[in-house]
Amino acid sequence: ETGVTQSPTHLIKTRGQQVTLRCSSQSGHNTVSWYQQALGQGPQFIFQYYREEENGRGNFPPRFSGLQFPNYSSELNVNALELDDSALYLCASSWKTSKVDEQYFGPGTRLTVT
Amino acid sequence: GQQVMQIPQYQHVQEGEDFTTYCNSSTTLSNIQWYKQRPGGHPVFLIQLVKSGEVKKQKRLTFQFGEAKKNSSLHITATQTTDVGTYFCESGGSYIPTFGRGTSLIVHP
Repeated sequence: ETGVTQSPTHLIKTRGQQVTLRCSSQSGHNTVSWYQQALGQGPQFIFQYYREEENGRGNFPPRFSGLQFPNYSSELNVNALELDDSALYLCASSWKTSKVDEQYFGPGTRLTVT
Repeated sequence: GQQVMQIPQYQHVQEGEDFTTYCNSSTTLSNIQWYKQRPGGHPVFLIQLVKSGEVKKQKRLTFQFGEAKKNSSLHITATQTTDVGTYFCESGGSYIPTFGRGTSLIVHP
């Protein structure tokens, strides 16, 4: 098991609401990436945070935003939820200067939007 | 990001048979990573390939990176029921990490 934790495990929200998901990175890791994984698909990159700043973003609208804290933990915020936002949200931590692009994934948060 | 196509989408095998999944890109990849995701689980890093023509082995798993660095494969010899899961390739060189759709391996005992 990795040291990456996510909360909550499951969440049900109504369309139009806002949600905050949390991630604690593995000890010693300074980078957190967030992914959205729909059923039967590969993880889709949302964005990455390094040294508390966004350091790369995938094809997601601005209503997906994030934060990274000094202890390298991170939040993903999604505003104005849509039905298509229902998915497994994964965070992954890594060490930016590592020679190997190895990411350690957390168990994920299953978000259902009704 | 660098798009990667992964085939097949599903593969049913009898326990003891071999299995291969392929990852293809139209552009040259800086590197490629392979992950395994068990049903209901999260992706777990398996390996990274960086060099043209690189071959790496982990017990019954063999990973290859093409000479042109546009394709990669994962081959499992003599599958076991513990190999069940979805195998993803991921290209991350541009640092917009892009995962393939994955190949789901189903092993029949």
